[in-house]
Amino acid sequence: DTEVTQTPKHLVMGMTNKKSLKCEQHMGHRAMYWYKQKAKKPPELMFVYSYEKLSINESVPSRFSPECPNSSLLNLHLHALQPEDSALYLCASSQDISGYTDTQYFGPGTRLTVL
Amino acid sequence: GQNIDQPTEMTATEGAIVQINCTYQTSGFNGLFWYQQHAGEAPTFLSYNVLDGLEEKGRFSSFLSRSKGYSYLLLKELQMKDSASYLCVPMTTDSWGKLQFGAGTQVVVTP
Repeated sequence: DTEVTQTPKHLVMGMTNKKSLKCEQHMGHRAMYWYKQKAKKPPELMFVYSYEKLSINESVPSRFSPECPNSSLLNLHLHALQPEDSALYLCASSQDISGYTDTQYFGPGTRLTVL
Repeated sequence: GQNIDQPTEMTATEGAIVQINCTYQTSGFNGLFWYQQHAGEAPTFLSYNVLDGLEEKGRFSSFLSRSKGYSYLLLKELQMKDSASYLCVPMTTDSWGKLQFGAGTQVVVTP
């Protein structure tokens, strides 16, 4: 089973709202990722968690706040977003971060619209 | 950083074969992934090559030549559902955990 789930599938929020995106995997993977993807562009890495610790932050604005409560869950807390943050947010997981075990499996994504 | 070059778009008819070439320039090369992405959906893992040669998986095969910095993805017996973007993603020892996606190749399958 290579399933990563994400909720919600769609989210519409105002610029003053606070919301959270959730991601879950039960494959025993120890690395989890957040990507942002705009239309007709490739996914861009935002954050990497390895063994529940933040290991990579690709200079993402602080209005995006990741959290990894345990090895199966990854959250992305959103606050004071801008309309240009509207995108598909993808979560992925991999067994580890080293060579073949770096194969990342993606969830279906959350389509976020900021009004 | 890394330089990835693959065609922007390819068109082929149902039942045909298409080969998507990818050349890359990296330091500390440590394998190459191919992903498929349908419009509006998440990328799906297709293959990983780390040694030279051909890996076959059903209708899809992936080839790697490390010395030439070259890979290709071969799609056989094309089906309409194969219309998607195909992303070549080299990994390096400097980029653990970072999938640096290029723009990908949009494959259009026509009846």
